[in-house]
Amino acid sequence: AQKITQTQPGMFVQEKEAVTLDCTYDTSDQSYGLFWYKQPSSGEMIFLIYQGSYDEQNATEGRYSLNFQKARKSANLVISASQLGDSAMYFCAIMSEAGSYQLTFGKGTKLSVIP
Amino acid sequence: EAEVAQSPRYKITEKSQAVAFWCDPISGHATLYWYRQILGQGPELLVQFQDESVVDDSQLPKDRFSAERLKGVDSTLKIQPAELGDSAMYLCASSLDGTVSQLYGYTFGSGTRLTVV
Repeated sequence: AQKITQTQPGMFVQEKEAVTLDCTYDTSDQSYGLFWYKQPSSGEMIFLIYQGSYDEQNATEGRYSLNFQKARKSANLVISASQLGDSAMYFCAIMSEAGSYQLTFGKGTKLSVIP
Repeated sequence: EAEVAQSPRYKITEKSQAVAFWCDPISGHATLYWYRQILGQGPELLVQFQDESVVDDSQLPKDRFSAERLKGVDSTLKIQPAELGDSAMYLCASSLDGTVSQLYGYTFGSGTRLTVV
């Protein structure tokens, strides 16, 4: 079984500042993928970034980067230069690469960007 | 940009009534997922299809929920009878295949927000 833990129910960040959203995971798989999704109030889930368990370099996508620490089983999302439009729920998820390709999500963190 | 279409966007139903949700995945996507997201929680998988076949429905409450994808394209999720605890967002997602999913995740629809009164 796989599990994602997001311990920050809510976070505030000043516009233009950087923010880190925490995510720890538990899995018995050797090969897995870690994802971050953004969910605005409208409800859709927007894919942000992916990190494979064997990737040695941290993933980056524009203003998003994933701080992957495999030994600690953590996959924190860093958003640089926060914008008002970044206010949303953020979900960390894990996918087993053993065959089912199902995503297991955490409970999410609500990010609020303050002007 | 290709989208996963879901309808209705919102649904209010009385408990004990039947309700159905529809999902049309991105063309060519063989894998389709239905997730349920209770307010304040992350999405949880209900059922996974590969083409027209059910791959995993272990989390689907089969006494009241059913899902089908008859021609391997669009899919319908039904609840009968609806209960108050079924109030949630129902999200549909699709992916090309597992390999691609690892790189890009799934594509999710906008969801159906169900309220049972």
